[in-house]
Amino acid sequence: QVQLQESGPGLVKPSETLSLTCIVSGGSITSYYWSWIRQPPGKGLEWIAYIFYSGITNYNPSLRSRVTISVDTSKKQFSLKLRSVTAADTAVYYCARMMGGTGSSYWFDPWGQGTLVTVSS
Amino acid sequence: QSVLTQPPSVSGAPGQRVTISCTGSSSNIGAGYDVHWYQQLPDTAPKLLIYDNTNRPSGVPDRFSGSKSGTSASLAITGLQAEDEADYYCQSHDSILSGYVFGTGTKVTVL
Repeated sequence: QVQLQESGPGLVKPSETLSLTCIVSGGSITSYYWSWIRQPPGKGLEWIAYIFYSGITNYNPSLRSRVTISVDTSKKQFSLKLRSVTAADTAVYYCARMMGGTGSSYWFDPWGQGTLVTVSS
Repeated sequence: QSVLTQPPSVSGAPGQRVTISCTGSSSNIGAGYDVHWYQQLPDTAPKLLIYDNTNRPSGVPDRFSGSKSGTSASLAITGLQAEDEADYYCQSHDSILSGYVFGTGTKVTVL
């Protein structure tokens, strides 16, 4: 079955750019939407962005100005860049596949194990 | 930024039934968008529990059930077990945000 694995630095300095990659294994990256979701320590879940394998994207309005999501189908991976980070961006970052039959009722399954990114000098 | 409201916590004795509400608005659940539920065990990634309001993925016990009505949805756990102690989140789509939203999360405690 499909498995997702996040990778990237665990520590980023304030004002710098957070960069993460999610590698897809055990299945195809094509024909699906893929998302990034984050969870600050002890808090709830926040959807960040999604990308279709063709490159169509959508972003959470609260993060849109600082986020870029991209996909590399040849490497079966998609990536997240979050610019000008602050301590408020400290969180566990998850990648997930989106499933569903219509454009508005997608759910997230499966999820990667998550990677903690701490913003600190 | 959560636009879906859940009770912070619910608890029950083993074998009891508990329900978790997820209250939205006319721009998400009330607009007809489906609701999905996730279980997050301590220090693990969320796991899909219910999709499209009422459907259970393969492997999810039938003790878990979902429903939706109006601007709200609910998750019920019958025959509560110690292993059900976890955080639960609802999720839907919001037309104003033009994106996906999660509930505030509910911690289930088995007494």
